[in-house]
Amino acid sequence: KQEVTQIPAALSVPEGENLVLNCSFTDSAIYNLQWFRQDPGKGLTSLLLIQSSQREQTSGRLNASLDKSSGRSTLYIAASQPGDSATYLCAVSGGSYIPTFGRGTSLIVHP
Amino acid sequence: GAGVSQSPSNKVTEKGKDVELRCDPISGHTALYWYRQRLGQGLEFLIYFQGNSAPDKSGLPSDRFSAERTGESVSTLTIQRTQQEDSAVYLCASSFPPLAGEQYFGPGTRLTVT
Repeated sequence: KQEVTQIPAALSVPEGENLVLNCSFTDSAIYNLQWFRQDPGKGLTSLLLIQSSQREQTSGRLNASLDKSSGRSTLYIAASQPGDSATYLCAVSGGSYIPTFGRGTSLIVHP
Repeated sequence: GAGVSQSPSNKVTEKGKDVELRCDPISGHTALYWYRQRLGQGLEFLIYFQGNSAPDKSGLPSDRFSAERTGESVSTLTIQRTQQEDSAVYLCASSFPPLAGEQYFGPGTRLTVT
């Protein structure tokens, strides 16, 4: 059974810092990995989708990498802003049609 | 184009009443998922629909929960005889293709059972 772990569970940083969020998974036989952000009381917004054949994806200040062999993905946020404050979740899709979600990293970027 | 929509956005109901939640997926998305998220908790998978195949109901917590989907369109999640522990945000997502596609989520329905 796939297990997804996100570290750290919570993070508080000053504005302008570059930061890394981690996602690890136990079964490397995956189709893709997706990063989401969730604002309080809202649904999930897709940030980046990495297919199993890819090593990384970039969107603006966000860069996500994937290392299937080690069961890891990182989400790099450059020059963080207060508007980046949210919970970040990763989800892994493997042999099952049902993605496995991590519990998320709660990020606060203070001015 | 329109994203995934859900209605109602908020629902307050009395314990024991039935509720029906609706999800409109993105047009052309054959896969549809329902999840539950209790306050401060992670996402809990409930049910998965793929085209006209039999749904995967393995996440439904009890027989009070049921869901339907007609073809590749609207889905409804019904909770009968609601209990206080059913209070949560119910999220719907759709994707295409079903295995490698990007999931898009709706805004959720916040259900409060009093």
